[in-house]
Amino acid sequence: GENVEQHPSTLSVQEGDSAVIKCTYSDSASNYFPWYKQELGKRPQLIIDIRSNVGEKKDQRIAVTLNKTAKHFSLHITETQPEDSAVYFCAATGGRDDKIIFGKGTRLHILP
Amino acid sequence: DGGITQSPKYLFRKEGQNVTLSCEQNLNHDAMYWYRQDPGQGLRLIYYSQIVNDFQKGDIAEGYSVSREKKESFPLTVTSAQKNPTAFYLCASSIGLVYEQFFGPGTRLTVL
Repeated sequence: GENVEQHPSTLSVQEGDSAVIKCTYSDSASNYFPWYKQELGKRPQLIIDIRSNVGEKKDQRIAVTLNKTAKHFSLHITETQPEDSAVYFCAATGGRDDKIIFGKGTRLHILP
Repeated sequence: DGGITQSPKYLFRKEGQNVTLSCEQNLNHDAMYWYRQDPGQGLRLIYYSQIVNDFQKGDIAEGYSVSREKKESFPLTVTSAQKNPTAFYLCASSIGLVYEQFFGPGTRLTVL
């Protein structure tokens, strides 16, 4: 089945700097890769997603890149702000068994 | 008011008792999911359902059971066979397996 590894588990960046979170997946048939943000005490919410027919997608300060050959995808947040502090989860699905698998999460701290 | 709801927010049960967690959505979504969230473990899939009267095991289905008799409802029963049931449980729904998931607010279950 699918396996998703997410790194780092914790990331601290200075406000205004960029943050990058990386995920790798094992099932080459996976074709949908969402990223969810979970603020403290709240439910996860989708912030961006990418499908396997696209290499990069941007939405304002957030971007996701996908390398199908290497089976990894990354979340990029530029000009970080205090409200970016949260736990971020990557996921992969659409593979051979249809199950969605989440990474273990990255806790992002934005330092003032 | 459209959305996905879970009840109750907090639940306490004695060891050895079965307990059922409620999940309802009025988003007209076909797919529904149950996750367990433990610190540092990310979101682990318990069960998912693509359509009414059909459901599939996730990665940690042992000790849990579900039903999908109505499109709007996907209750999860935590049985006495679940060895470590104390956790935060999240329900989600989506229009299909490779689309954005919308999460409920979660139920925190404590087994005493």
